[in-house]
Amino acid sequence: NAGVTQTPKFQVLKTGQSMTLQCAQDMNHEYMSWYRQDPGMGLRLIHYSVGAGITDQGEVPNGYNVSRSTTEDFPLRLLSAAPSQTSVYFCASSYTNTQYFGPGTRLTVL
Amino acid sequence: GQNIDQPTEMTATEGAIVQINCTYQTSGFNGLFWYQQHAAEAPTFLSYNVLDGLEEKGRFSSFLSRSKGYSYLLLKELQMKDSASYLCASLDSNYQLIWGAGTKLIIKP
Repeated sequence: NAGVTQTPKFQVLKTGQSMTLQCAQDMNHEYMSWYRQDPGMGLRLIHYSVGAGITDQGEVPNGYNVSRSTTEDFPLRLLSAAPSQTSVYFCASSYTNTQYFGPGTRLTVL
Repeated sequence: GQNIDQPTEMTATEGAIVQINCTYQTSGFNGLFWYQQHAAEAPTFLSYNVLDGLEEKGRFSSFLSRSKGYSYLLLKELQMKDSASYLCASLDSNYQLIWGAGTKLIIKP
């Protein structure tokens, strides 16, 4: 099992550009989520999904979209990147309440 | 509001014992998690407490007091590889995790 995988590992964008962060899991978990992690702050939930076709907003959803067409994949789209979105992004999946994290994507927006 | 408090940084000596405290105030409570996160890596699961008391797992133990809104993570026989951030998270009434900012633990030889 690869667990939770994320691509890319690093990304630099210019303000206004759009991009998609990829996340996949091979554990057949129904629940998947996206977090951002900023210095001095706890992980903040962006969006989550309780199963294919179902998504919902977390604490900081503005500027991000998600979709869940399959159980395995949960991409995060940045619509028009802003410097405030510079962060480390983690995708996670869970079966019970224990979350398993991907390796993260380090995003810089100039 | 919802709040998780834990110290920003702690220093301990190799071979010693350290206790990392966490206090929480969340809308409802369905358990308390501890995760370990090494620099530039993903958080990894350490423990989950939902009932009061101490849970021991090797060198690591986690304690919960629901009435006090308090938990601690106890690390024994510290090793250099234990240098990491330790994240406390409370599972609220909607089964969403509310995360603390993490405690950076520095181990000195």
